[in-house]
Amino acid sequence: EDQVTQSPEALRLQEGESSSLNCSYTVSGLRGLFWYRQDPGKGPEFLFTLYSAGEEKEKERLKATLTKKESFLHITAPKPEDSATYLCAGLGQGAQKLVFGQGTRLTINP
Amino acid sequence: GAVVSQHPSWVICKSGTSVKIECRSLDFQATTMFWYRQFPKQSLMLMATSNEGSKATYEQGVEKDKFLINHASLTLSTLTVTSAHPEDSSFYICSGEVGTGGDEQYFGPGTRLTVT
Repeated sequence: EDQVTQSPEALRLQEGESSSLNCSYTVSGLRGLFWYRQDPGKGPEFLFTLYSAGEEKEKERLKATLTKKESFLHITAPKPEDSATYLCAGLGQGAQKLVFGQGTRLTINP
Repeated sequence: GAVVSQHPSWVICKSGTSVKIECRSLDFQATTMFWYRQFPKQSLMLMATSNEGSKATYEQGVEKDKFLINHASLTLSTLTVTSAHPEDSSFYICSGEVGTGGDEQYFGPGTRLTVT
């Protein structure tokens, strides 16, 4: 069964303190690894899709990377507005539905 | 990115009544739409996959007679919670798929359902 696991469950950082969120996956024939941001009471907002090991994508203070077993979301010099829950999801070969991890609740203190 | 809307954004209903939630793709045609529910501090759980013009495919453990899904057009899918009970209170989120194959999904803002 396909599975996606995120760690840590929650992370508190000071403004400007860089860190990384982890997403480990066992998804058969991974076709895509997705990162979303979700604010409280709102739907997930698309951030990145990664398709193959070694791929990297960047958007402002965020950079997502992918290996054959896991993906990282690196956040550089975060600001309080980066506080949110970050979700990753895998899409397997022949599948149509995303398999979501539990999410990482990120809090950036000013 | 593509835009998906949901209506209503929140709804309160009495136990035993039914409530309908609409999901619309505003600037693209969604052959497939997905319905999720999310409990506090938990991740999204897929309820069903809805393809335009055909019956929805429900995930294991989701009662199809309780959660009625209709996908009558390429821009509209509806979820009706029938005979709602307090345990149905949750955050319901839909997503629309751009193209085919599942690799481009855009989510709606969610609907908060409270059953009293």
